[in-house]
Amino acid sequence: AAGVIQSPRHLIKEKRETATLKCYPIPRHDTVYWYQQGPGQDPQFLISFYEKMQSDKGSIPDRFSAQQFSDYHSELNMSSLELGDSALYFCASSLIKGGRESRETQYFGPGTRLLVL
Amino acid sequence: DAKTTQPNSMESNEEEPVHLPCNHSTISGTDYIHWYRQLPSQGPEYVIHGLTSNVNNRMASLAIAEDRKSSTLILHRATLRDAAVYYCILRDVLPRSGNTPLVFGKGTRLSVIA
Repeated sequence: AAGVIQSPRHLIKEKRETATLKCYPIPRHDTVYWYQQGPGQDPQFLISFYEKMQSDKGSIPDRFSAQQFSDYHSELNMSSLELGDSALYFCASSLIKGGRESRETQYFGPGTRLLVL
Repeated sequence: DAKTTQPNSMESNEEEPVHLPCNHSTISGTDYIHWYRQLPSQGPEYVIHGLTSNVNNRMASLAIAEDRKSSTLILHRATLRDAAVYYCILRDVLPRSGNTPLVFGKGTRLSVIA
């Protein structure tokens, strides 16, 4: 079965540079979530989208923005990168319109490992 | 989301059952109990969820206390591939547009010994 795809898998940037992370949800899934996991930390929710509209917002810095496109893929844009942005960034997707059971499960991608030097 | 409490770490021998506890004394009547796990260098993975009754699937069983203030994830025969951080998460069942994000706590790091 198709899974969540994230690209790139690894990214190295300098301080103050920008980065764009991409997420391709499971086909037919209508909701995308972004999570950040710092070294030795637990995943923290950043932002989510349902049907191309922002659904929830977590601890996402103002330097970051995201959107979901008409084909349901999502991009996380990160500007003025700081050393503390070095982390694993996970995207997850779920199907809300499929009913209660399907929307209870989030499917995670393999993550993008961002290193800011 | 209501808070959950889990032991920091647990250890199990391979092919033995593992019982991972979770306390959620402030759970509300509309909270589902979810379990996710994160294997090393991978994204979190759904394991199981339930509301009031015990649940079984191909990965695990979930035993929920009658007062719902605690639950236990049961791996019937631990394998080396089950070594991961296991997260117990509460999520509101009330329907809404979109869905609520997962709030990860500290989780339990399970080590499996061959």
